[in-house]
Amino acid sequence: RKEVEQDPGPFNVPEGATVAFNCTYSNSASQSFFWYRQDCRKEPKLLMSVYSSGNEDGRFTAQLNRASQYISLLIRDSKLSDSATYLCVVTSGSARQLTFGSGTQLTVLP
Amino acid sequence: EAQVTQNPRYLITVTGKKLTVTCSQNMNHEYMSWYRQDPGLGLRQIYYSMNVEVTDKGDVPEGYKVSRKEKRNFPLILESPSPNQTSLYFCASSKTGTASYEQYFGPGTRLTVT
Repeated sequence: RKEVEQDPGPFNVPEGATVAFNCTYSNSASQSFFWYRQDCRKEPKLLMSVYSSGNEDGRFTAQLNRASQYISLLIRDSKLSDSATYLCVVTSGSARQLTFGSGTQLTVLP
Repeated sequence: EAQVTQNPRYLITVTGKKLTVTCSQNMNHEYMSWYRQDPGLGLRQIYYSMNVEVTDKGDVPEGYKVSRKEKRNFPLILESPSPNQTSLYFCASSKTGTASYEQYFGPGTRLTVT
C-alpha cells in the first residue's frame, strides 16, 4: 500500500464547477499536511497547508480528518487557470521527510 | 530574488559517466532535499539535509550521493549513472531544519542516461 494515495484522475470539469479531491495517508504519526500544485513540467508550488480545524483560502478549502487519515481539497468556481496536477503531501512522524502522492490531474474546460 | 537554482536544466549522458547536479538557494534555508519524479510514481525523496554537514537518506538513495558543506549548496552526485536513473530531478529548500514548512523547489533537471 502506498503511503499517500490519490485518485490520479484525470478530472475534466467545466468552468465554474466545484471539484473535490481526496487523499489518504497510512502513517498515523504524520504531523503536517499540504496540498501542492504542479503545472506541466514545472516545479511544485505550495497551494495551502492543511490544518485539523480546516482552512480556506479564497476558492480553495482544505480539510484534514486524522481519525480516518484522509485529506481533502475543494475548489469552488473553477477557473481555466486551475488546470494543473494537485499533489497531496504528508510529513513523516519525525517531520524529517516528506511523502508525496502521485497527484490528481485537473483540467478545467471552457 | 529568493530562489532555488539547479544546474544543468537538461543533461544527456552515458552509463557510468560520473555527474553532479548543483543546487543552490539564497534564502538562508536550513532544510534542503532532492527528489526524483517519474510517471505514475510521483516525487520520491532521495536525500535530505537538516543543516550543514547533516545529511540523511530518503526513500530512494541507492546510486546517489550528496554533501552539504555550505548552507546554500546541496549538490547531487551520481557516481556511475544507469538508465534507471533517467528522471526529472528537483531540489527543494525550507526555512527550518524540518520538512514541516513550505518547500521551495528549483526548476528541475531533466536527466537522460543512455
